[in-house]
Amino acid sequence: QKEVEQNSGPLSVPEGAIASLNCTYSDRGSQSFFWYRQYSGKSPELIMSIYSNGDKEDGRFTAQLNKASQYVSLLIRDSQPSDSATYLCAVNIFGYQFYFGTGTSLTVIP
Amino acid sequence: GAVVSQHPSWVICKSGTSVKIECRSLDFQATTMFWYRQFPKQSLMLMATSNEGSKATYEQGVEKDKFLINHASLTLSTLTVTSAHPEDSSFYICSARSGEYGYTFGSGTRLTVV
Repeated sequence: QKEVEQNSGPLSVPEGAIASLNCTYSDRGSQSFFWYRQYSGKSPELIMSIYSNGDKEDGRFTAQLNKASQYVSLLIRDSQPSDSATYLCAVNIFGYQFYFGTGTSLTVIP
Repeated sequence: GAVVSQHPSWVICKSGTSVKIECRSLDFQATTMFWYRQFPKQSLMLMATSNEGSKATYEQGVEKDKFLINHASLTLSTLTVTSAHPEDSSFYICSARSGEYGYTFGSGTRLTVV
């Protein structure tokens, strides 16, 4: 069973809309959760981290965590064409090791 | 913020040769670094965890004799792909835990074996 699962997409939204990305994880011992954005041919860059249940907002991005249901989501408001990328969900269980989802490809249509 | 410098950004090598990739933490000490590999349209797969001053821990299915990892100092970890073959062509990325900065990724190395 995969540790972290994401819908691979592709997900397409019009410019200005809200993009919703979802991620589920299997290990209830998971402690911290991260969303990374990866442009083609580039290394991932951290967008958000979230550690406790609820919502965390940073600019146009909102991360939502529900440990009981074992999912974490990322909302992107007022989507821009520059947001077009692959979004990776990562989960840290114990210690330093990360488990990455397969990523969701997002395309924002001008 | 924390920066991890990774070199080279891309490299082309002949089959059978070895390639070394370096990752340096520029403004913090990284006792642990992680090496990932990413094939096209796939996610990052952890290859090994590199610990300063000790042997690396390899994930299942990763050949330790083929992918040599050295973490000789708190700021430098290297990955050497020995006797490279075309199937080793991939995007290799290092990452380090940077304390208050969380985890920082290097810029990645695109390896092409011809």
